[in-house]
Amino acid sequence: DMQMTQSPSSLSASVGDRVTITCRASQGINEYLAWYQQKPGKVPTLLIYGASTLQSGVPSRFSGSGSGTDFTLTITSLQPEDVATYYCQKYNSAPFTFGPGTKVEI
Amino acid sequence: QMQLVESGGGVVQPGKSLRLSCEASGFNFRSFGIHWVRQAPGRGLEWVATISFDGGKRYYADSVKGRFTISRDNSINTVNLQMKSLRPEDTAIYYCTKDHSTTWQQIFDFWGQGTLVTVSS
Repeated sequence: DMQMTQSPSSLSASVGDRVTITCRASQGINEYLAWYQQKPGKVPTLLIYGASTLQSGVPSRFSGSGSGTDFTLTITSLQPEDVATYYCQKYNSAPFTFGPGTKVEI
Repeated sequence: QMQLVESGGGVVQPGKSLRLSCEASGFNFRSFGIHWVRQAPGRGLEWVATISFDGGKRYYADSVKGRFTISRDNSINTVNLQMKSLRPEDTAIYYCTKDHSTTWQQIFDFWGQGTLVTVSS
């Protein structure tokens, strides 16, 4: 089965910093990639789908890019409320695998 | 107001069975695929199972294939996950999630609060 990897596994940044998280698929998945945010103790929420389409209500400081095997999630100006673990997920075909997650701290 | 409410979790011995339910409200349930995603304590997210809007298509993770069965009853807005031959590694919070689109894209745009399953002797 395909594997999804993410880097880094964790990062610490300052408020206002630009943060970039990478997700890599072991095989091409076109743009069938979603990003989720899970704040500590909370349920995951959808941030981005189609690699770059922002889910309704998600702040514009979040953006996604990529196609094929390499994808990025960017937070242009990190805010305290962005402390969370971020997961990518492929949905081109089953299994609909998640990446291992990237923990973002301030 | 959209809601997904999971129930049925608890403590169960290895090898036993458990049935989880997810009751939906606030949206046109019969038009959307529904999925189960789990999260072991302190671990990441793992997709478990998916069922199409009409129940005609079902997919399972290899880790649960042959042991778990997903089903739905659109007359009562409910999806079930029948879990058999449970193993300690099935211990997790199980989330019911709704598909983002009526075209069944396996994007999880709304999540329930989850129900905890603990498999332990």
